[in-house]
Amino acid sequence: EIVLTQSPGTLSLSPGERATLSCRASQSVSSSYLAWYQQKPGQAPRLLIYGASSRATGIPDRFSGSGSGTDFTLTISRLEPEDFAVYYCQQYGISPYTFGQGTKLEIK
Amino acid sequence: EVQLLESGGGLLQPGGSLRLSCAASGFTLSSYAMSWVRQAPGKGLEWVSAISGSGYSTYYADSVMGRFTISRDNSKSTLYLQMNSLRAEDTAVYYCAKGLEMVTKSTLDYWGQGTLVTVSP
Repeated sequence: EIVLTQSPGTLSLSPGERATLSCRASQSVSSSYLAWYQQKPGQAPRLLIYGASSRATGIPDRFSGSGSGTDFTLTISRLEPEDFAVYYCQQYGISPYTFGQGTKLEIK
Repeated sequence: EVQLLESGGGLLQPGGSLRLSCAASGFTLSSYAMSWVRQAPGKGLEWVSAISGSGYSTYYADSVMGRFTISRDNSKSTLYLQMNSLRAEDTAVYYCAKGLEMVTKSTLDYWGQGTLVTVSP
């Protein structure tokens, strides 16, 4: 099973700042089958990024994904108040299609 | 508009069985893989199972292998999760999610609002 480790566990930033979230895989994620999701309290997750770097429909361009192999990054260029949430990465290249443990992005 | 509506959750005792349903609308179910993902109270997301658009390919997390069965009835636009031999650690909100493609190697682009399953004596 591919284990995804997200860091940091919690990230405290202010609106307008840049956020960099990391997702490291225990083995290579084939063909960049890596996605990022955002989840707010009481809501279902929302797809942000798939294929490591492709933005999902309707996702603002302040969200960007990068990386390959075992190291992936989600960057939010300028934080808006609505961006404070929990973020999960997921690999869907090899079953079981595991999730990372999440990074909580909180307002400083 | 894509909509996914889960149902069938509830409270039951350890060892019991339950079948979850996910009614899909706004798209042709047979054209897309589908998955179940769960979230225990206050915890992160855990992928549970996936099924290809045709239904021929199915995959499971080790934690549910042999106890849960995913299936689909494309004619009824409905996804199912049969859950047997339930344990306390299966307590979670269960989400159904639509794949971006027909194959299970597919990201999840739409999610339902979830149904709560509680396993307790």
